[in-house]
Amino acid sequence: AQSVTQPDIHITVSEGASLELRCNYSYGATPYLFWYVQSPGQGLQLLLKYFSGDTLVQGIKGFEAEFKRSQSSFNLRKPSVHWSDAAEYFCAVVPSGGSYIPTFGRGTSLIVHP
Amino acid sequence: DGGITQSPKYLFRKEGQNVTLSCEQNLNHDAMYWYRQDPGQGLRLIYYSQIVNDFQKGDIAEGYSVSREKKESFPLTVTSAQKNPTAFYLCASRTGTGHAGYTFGSGTRLTVV
Repeated sequence: AQSVTQPDIHITVSEGASLELRCNYSYGATPYLFWYVQSPGQGLQLLLKYFSGDTLVQGIKGFEAEFKRSQSSFNLRKPSVHWSDAAEYFCAVVPSGGSYIPTFGRGTSLIVHP
Repeated sequence: DGGITQSPKYLFRKEGQNVTLSCEQNLNHDAMYWYRQDPGQGLRLIYYSQIVNDFQKGDIAEGYSVSREKKESFPLTVTSAQKNPTAFYLCASRTGTGHAGYTFGSGTRLTVV
């Protein structure tokens, strides 16, 4: 079975600073990889996804993520954080076959200081 | 606009009561999912359904039941057997294969009073 690790429970950055949220996964093959964002009391919104091709993927709201097969990682980045980016971020792994059931990490809470 | 509608947004349950959370989608998606979210624990899968009239247990199905009589609808019943039901419940759907991504509803917060 696949698993996802988001090692940082909370991350605090200043507005305008760069951001990197870490995600490591365990799976026997290359899975489909996703990053979602959740505002308080809301559902999850898809930021970006990777399933093949270019390992650097661009998403909405200025986010990007890089798939590194050798490190089993899919880290999320943003060059300049805005106060509105404060939210919970979830990494998810979906097997590239079978039932396509996603497994989510425990989430990273992003706090943005003015 | 197409999407997933969860209702109600807030729900209060007395001890020993069954309650049903609604999930409706107009995306024509085949697969639907129910997740439970607790602080610091991410999302845990309760039940999922790949096609109408078929559903499978997820990791934490005990105390929950579902039905899938229509493609658009996947209601979740929290039974009295669920000892700790207070949580945020999220419904999601998917079309095609797993790389397409998942669409989420806005959630239902269930509180036991």
